[in-house]
Amino acid sequence: DAKTTQPTSMDCAEGRAANLPCNHSTISGNEYVYWYRQIHSQGPQYIIHGLKNNETNEMASLIITEDRKSSTLILPHATLRDTAVYYCIVRRGGGSNYKLTFGKGTLLTVNP
Amino acid sequence: GAGVSQSPRYKVAKRGQDVALRCDPISGHVSLFWYQQALGQGPEFLTYFQNEAQLDKSGLPSDRFFAERPEGSVSTLKIQRTQQEDSAVYLCASSLGRGQGQDTQYFGPGTRLTVL
Repeated sequence: DAKTTQPTSMDCAEGRAANLPCNHSTISGNEYVYWYRQIHSQGPQYIIHGLKNNETNEMASLIITEDRKSSTLILPHATLRDTAVYYCIVRRGGGSNYKLTFGKGTLLTVNP
Repeated sequence: GAGVSQSPRYKVAKRGQDVALRCDPISGHVSLFWYQQALGQGPEFLTYFQNEAQLDKSGLPSDRFFAERPEGSVSTLKIQRTQQEDSAVYLCASSLGRGQGQDTQYFGPGTRLTVL
């Protein structure tokens, strides 16, 4: 699976949009971009995933560049409960046996 | 609906003891994964089951680690003769496993193992 690069940490003001970048320049055509987050002392929580089109759900939006070499996770109105480590993961699709390869992620701190 | 559950949530073991960690996946999920997360690191893959079959155990760090899922539902991760380096959070994840398109993994809360 392709490796990803994320900033170690970011800060965001409560109520503002949080934009978390991820570089995955070696991504292959059949690989999806997944985002998970992990709040302190909890298991990772699935947020969103996409292949090449932008995606939106009730939690966040995922913007993938046209060349698919980078993406941005957008939390439109960050709250204090969004403080967590955010992991960007590239994973092959088309099968159920593909493990997730986590990096160190980005620690997002939402400040009041 | 009910998510993935794990028990115990916390386990303290003396070095050399055997431990057993339990995972109850989401009902109907065919695929089950175990991950290990050391302090300050992201989770790392240990092993994967499809129903009762263990199809990938490439991430198990030593032969002291053993996992099973005898009836294709509940899974147990067993660690024999625990060592201090085994101290970590052990995470279980499950997915539908239908093998079509994207297959999202959903995680349990983890078991924090501390070996003294």
